[in-house]
Amino acid sequence: EAGVTQFPSHSVIEKGQTVTLRCDPISGHDNLYWYRRVMGKEIKFLLHFVKESKQDESGMPNNRFLAERTGGTYSTLKVQPAELEDSGVYFCASSPSGGTGEQYFGPGTRLTVT
Amino acid sequence: GENVEQHPSTLSVQEGDSAVIKCTYSDSASNYFPWYKQELGKRPQLIIDIRSNVGEKKDQRIAVTLNKTAKHFSLHITETQPEDSAVYFCASPRYNYTGANSKLTFGKGITLSVRP
Repeated sequence: EAGVTQFPSHSVIEKGQTVTLRCDPISGHDNLYWYRRVMGKEIKFLLHFVKESKQDESGMPNNRFLAERTGGTYSTLKVQPAELEDSGVYFCASSPSGGTGEQYFGPGTRLTVT
Repeated sequence: GENVEQHPSTLSVQEGDSAVIKCTYSDSASNYFPWYKQELGKRPQLIIDIRSNVGEKKDQRIAVTLNKTAKHFSLHITETQPEDSAVYFCASPRYNYTGANSKLTFGKGITLSVRP
C-alpha cells in the first residue's frame, strides 16, 4: 500500500510569490490533515478535511492560506502571497474513518520564503 | 485549548542505557496518547500509543505509561541503540471520544541522541 505522498519535497520562493503544495493521502482515507512545523518548534495543526469538507480549519494562520480537497481525494494548500514567517515544513497526514487513531504522515514539504 | 509539553527538550544517553521522555497534557477529556518518532529528513511515524483505559503498554524495547490523575504519559526506551536517535513527539487529540478523527496537539519534540 502506498503511503501519503507530498509534492514538492522542497520549495524556495521569494516573499510575495505564490506556492501550492499537494498531498495525496492513502487511498480510502476520508480524513486528511495539514500540519506545519516551524524550525525547532512543535508540529502545529492547520486544517482537517473529512472527504471534501473542511471539518476544522481553526489552525489556519490567516487568509493567505487556502486549502482545497476537491472530490475528496488529494488536497492542495496554497499560500498567496507568501511571507517570511511561512517558512517551515508542511506535513500532510491521513487516517481512515473509524480507525485506531493513528495518523499516517507524508514526508513533508520544506518551504523556504526568502 | 489543549496544551502538551515535553521534558526534557534534549536527551543524550549511552548506547545500551535506558531513556525516558515525559509528556504532560492539560485536557482531562483526552483519552488517546500517541508517540511519534521522526528520523532526520524522514516523516513522523507512530511508534506506540496508549488509551486511557490502560496504564502501560509495551512493544519490545519501547513502553508507554500513563498517569491520568497527574495528566502525564511517558515513553520508555530500553537498551537504546544508535538507530533510536531521532526527534520524538508526544501528542494528544484536541477532543474526541476515540481520538480517531480529531486533530492532534503535539509537544515541541525531544531530540534523543544515543552515543555509540
